[in-house]
Amino acid sequence: QKEVEQNSGPLSVPEGAIASLNCTYSDRGSQSFFWYRQYSGKSPELIMSIYSNGDKEDGRFTAQLNKASQYVSLLIRDSQPSDSATYLCAPGGGKLIFGTGTRLQVFP
Amino acid sequence: DTAVSQTPKYLVTQMGNDKSIKCEQNLGHDTMYWYKQDSKKFLKIMFSYNNKELIINETVPNRFSPKSPDKAHLNLHINSLELGDSAVYFCASKRVPGGSYTEAFFGQGTRLTVV
Repeated sequence: QKEVEQNSGPLSVPEGAIASLNCTYSDRGSQSFFWYRQYSGKSPELIMSIYSNGDKEDGRFTAQLNKASQYVSLLIRDSQPSDSATYLCAPGGGKLIFGTGTRLQVFP
Repeated sequence: DTAVSQTPKYLVTQMGNDKSIKCEQNLGHDTMYWYKQDSKKFLKIMFSYNNKELIINETVPNRFSPKSPDKAHLNLHINSLELGDSAVYFCASKRVPGGSYTEAFFGQGTRLTVV
């Protein structure tokens, strides 16, 4: 089993819709998770972090963490074409292993 | 000021050559990483150094050798370049004593093309 798994997509959603991105992980000891966004030709940048079970909201983004199920998700409300990118999840800690990334396409 | 900087940004070279990519961070972080991102966009970890000590060495050909002269620098040297080495290489840094709660910062990437 891979340490971090994501659906590679592409996930296509219309503008204004909710995009739902999912990530599962194998290390039960992971205490935190980070979501990074990578535009084509650019480097990854942090958009959300979550440390506790439950939801964390930041503007149009909501991260959800369920440690019992070893599952973390990212919801993007009111999706915009500018949200089109690859989204990578990574557990916290020193090893910094990323999932394969999910490519999101938001069409007008 | 750029937090994590890599040089060069682009590198085109012939098979069999030896090349180096340099990375420097001015964030005071103690841990640095090298990743390879191929055409399928998977960000694969190659190496990690903590305070100049190698702590992660994934399954990477021994033609790749990282060097950390101090904790602000992590360079990647590649011998006998092959076509399959063509990819984008990213350097990143992170403060690990923050435990699981610190984010990583990435350099802008080096696009290596082997011809």
